[in-house]
Amino acid sequence: AQSVTQLDSQVPVFEEAPVELRCNYSSSVSVYLFWYVQYPNQGLQLLLKYLSGSTLVKGINGFEAEFNKSQTSFHLRKPSVHISDTAEYFCAVRKTGTASKLTFGTGTRLQVTL
Amino acid sequence: DAGVIQSPRHEVTEMGQEVTLRCKPISGHDYLFWYRQTMMRGLELLIYFNNNVPIDDSGMPEDRFSAKMPNASFSTLKIQPSEPRDSAVYFCASSFDDRGGEQYFGPGTRLTVT
Repeated sequence: AQSVTQLDSQVPVFEEAPVELRCNYSSSVSVYLFWYVQYPNQGLQLLLKYLSGSTLVKGINGFEAEFNKSQTSFHLRKPSVHISDTAEYFCAVRKTGTASKLTFGTGTRLQVTL
Repeated sequence: DAGVIQSPRHEVTEMGQEVTLRCKPISGHDYLFWYRQTMMRGLELLIYFNNNVPIDDSGMPEDRFSAKMPNASFSTLKIQPSEPRDSAVYFCASSFDDRGGEQYFGPGTRLTVT
């Protein structure tokens, strides 16, 4: 089975500052990795995903993430955040191949202030 | 496309009553997922379907929960009888390719059982 750990439940940051949201996963097989964002009272929206190839993945809204297989990590970064980035961010993992579950982390609340 | 459609958006019911949540996936998507989100347990996959057939229902909490997908454009999640601990936000998501395909989430149904 796969598992995801998001160590930081909340990350406060000032506007225009850089941010990193941490995600570590555990799996005995190859996996796909995802970051989703949830704005208040909305469903989840995909930010980016790693399936294969380049370990640096760029997503929407200026976010990027780097897959590090040796450290089993998939940290999310943004060089300069905006107030509108305030939301809950979820890291998720699923094993490659057919018909597999998407396992979510517990989420990190990013709070951007002026 | 209108995206994944869920109804109702909010449901308040009394303990013991039957609750039915509805989902219309994105046209052409052949996978449909039901999730539950609570503060205590985070996001949990309840069940998912492929081509209208339930593939994995191991996340369904107990026999009070049932899900159906009578056709490619409609699914229901039923709770009978409902209990206060069922209070949560229930999300439906769909995707067209399980091999790393993005899951598109609906806006969710906020269920309150009193």
